[in-house]
Amino acid sequence: DTVLTQSPALAVSPGERVTISCRASESVSTLMHWYQQKPGQQPTLLIYLASNLESGVPARFSGSGSGTDFTLTIDPVEADDTATYYCQQSWNDPFTFGSGTKLEIK
Amino acid sequence: EVQLVESGGGLVQPGRSMKLSCAASGFTFSNYGMAWVRQAPTKGLEWVATISYDGSSTYYRDSVKGRFTISRDNAKSTLYLQMNSLRSEDTATYYCTRGPITMMVPDWFAYWGQGTLVTVSS
Repeated sequence: DTVLTQSPALAVSPGERVTISCRASESVSTLMHWYQQKPGQQPTLLIYLASNLESGVPARFSGSGSGTDFTLTIDPVEADDTATYYCQQSWNDPFTFGSGTKLEIK
Repeated sequence: EVQLVESGGGLVQPGRSMKLSCAASGFTFSNYGMAWVRQAPTKGLEWVATISYDGSSTYYRDSVKGRFTISRDNAKSTLYLQMNSLRSEDTATYYCTRGPITMMVPDWFAYWGQGTLVTVSS
């Protein structure tokens, strides 16, 4: 299975720029997607196909990358962005998710 | 508004069966592929199974192949997950998800239900 590696946690202040990384154990082309999960809630889609912003998602969120290295950027960060962020690949079977990056807003 | 409402979770003994349902509304159910994604308590997300818009194609992760069956009733706008021979490692919140594009097997999950908790324990 394709392993997606994410940093476990980050802490930033409101107004700052934060980058969340996701590294794949093998190439996934641009079939990488990002989700946000707030405590006690279901995940919501933020970015699909590496860099496409899902409808209704604030433009503060952006995605980039291809192959094995991907980044989710939030700029500027707001207090409401406190959540765990997951990447997910759909190039290789089975689809896999990263272990999540917990973002804390100081 | 797209709505996905799961039901059928609860406590079940190891080796027993359980059937989850997901009632869909707010879109033409028969036009979209659907999937189940699960999340063990305090853990990350794990794709479980996918079904095409017409039910003709199904896909499973290895750990549930032969035990779980995904199906759909387009007339009732309902997705199902029949889970047999349940194990403790199947304990998780199960989310019903919808694909983003009509007539395509979903590569990513545009809409999620609130989830239903399945606890496998004696």
